[in-house]
Amino acid sequence: QVQLQQSGPELVKPGASVKISCKASGYAFSSSWMNWVKQRPGQGLEWIGRIYPGDGDTNYNGKFKGKATLTADKSSSTAYMQLSSLTSVDSAVYFCARSGGLDVWGAGTTVTVSS
Amino acid sequence: DIQMTQSPSSLSASLGERVSLTCRASQDIGSSLNWLQQEPDGTIKRLIYATSSLDSGVPKRFSGSRSGSDYSLTISSLESEDFVDYYCLQYASSPPTFGGGTKLEIK
Repeated sequence: QVQLQQSGPELVKPGASVKISCKASGYAFSSSWMNWVKQRPGQGLEWIGRIYPGDGDTNYNGKFKGKATLTADKSSSTAYMQLSSLTSVDSAVYFCARSGGLDVWGAGTTVTVSS
Repeated sequence: DIQMTQSPSSLSASLGERVSLTCRASQDIGSSLNWLQQEPDGTIKRLIYATSSLDSGVPKRFSGSRSGSDYSLTISSLESEDFVDYYCLQYASSPPTFGGGTKLEIK
């Protein structure tokens, strides 16, 4: 079955960067968009952007341009999101979700920004 | 960006009760609306896609419908596991946008 396995929690210092991962299985990784979604504690969901692993094409929510960088490794069926210049407002759970309809979701990666 | 206005933000209901949640789209999104369920541990699952199609394994007490720019998720008879959070998602236009969520609480 389709599964998205996300990397573990991260504790990072303000101003630093972090790269989190989402390993896909059970489907043709290169042929489906992979989305990333942010959820701050007690808040709703925000779409960050998406990547098409087949050709590396990306679309970003304007709000996250310069903050998030999406990449994908077809050889390992893994999508990555790097977040840069981290501040407290970047502390959140980050989900990956497959395809245009976001049909399958990973369990989320908690990123905590703290000195 | 398309705004999705979800109501109510919280709802208190009893076991066995029928409830409906609504999302109103600020622009035409056709049938490009999904409903998501989020458990207390953060797990997110899609329940309904393309407005009214039930995802595999989702109980038949869940249904989706549309009236104009209003999209509804109806649970016909609440069970204990249904008292969690729900979100709508439009994917007709980029960026995809979510409703603000509904917290369903047991009365």
